[in-house]
Amino acid sequence: GNSVTQMEGPVTLSEEAFLTINCTYTATGYPSLFWYVQYPGEGLQLLLKATKADDKGSNKGFEATYRKETTSFHLEKGSVQVSDSAVYFCALSPLGYSTLTFGKGTMLLVSP
Amino acid sequence: EAQVTQNPRYLITVTGKKLTVTCSQNMNHEYMSWYRQDPGLGLRQIYYSMNVEVTDKGDVPEGYKVSRKEKRNFPLILESPSPNQTSLYFCASRQNRDAYYEQYFGPGTRLTVT
Repeated sequence: GNSVTQMEGPVTLSEEAFLTINCTYTATGYPSLFWYVQYPGEGLQLLLKATKADDKGSNKGFEATYRKETTSFHLEKGSVQVSDSAVYFCALSPLGYSTLTFGKGTMLLVSP
Repeated sequence: EAQVTQNPRYLITVTGKKLTVTCSQNMNHEYMSWYRQDPGLGLRQIYYSMNVEVTDKGDVPEGYKVSRKEKRNFPLILESPSPNQTSLYFCASRQNRDAYYEQYFGPGTRLTVT
């Protein structure tokens, strides 16, 4: 079946530190991959996405590259801010399917 | 403003008392979905709808019902709530069945069943 595995949190960083949140997946075919972010007290929002191997999704300084050979889609940011504190969800949708499969989420806490 | 609204935002109820959580979107989206979010389990899909009068089960449909009589509304019904349905619920919508399109989430409904 389809599944997404994320690193467990919380990830605690100081402002301006480099961020990596690992995400690996299992899926049939070539899925589309997504990162969604959930700020405190809010619903999820799409952060970035990629639809084929070697695609790089980027938004708000965050990046993730679709790596087919390692079935990974790790989220990175060069310099985090306090306002980036949130829960980050990796997700996939296999080609031709309508459903999204989410990972369990990784909480990021950034201190000044 | 494009948005998904849910009501109520918070609800405390007792076992067995029927309740409905409403969901509405103003983006003319075809696809709508309900999720529950639980600590350590992430988001799990309860039901989804590809269009009016078309609904289907997600991963955890037991104990829930839905209907899609109008395109904009997708209510979640718990006919006999139980404590294991205590959770944070999210409604979501997107343009159509293609998951490539951005999925918009409501603000969530925190339900406690005692």
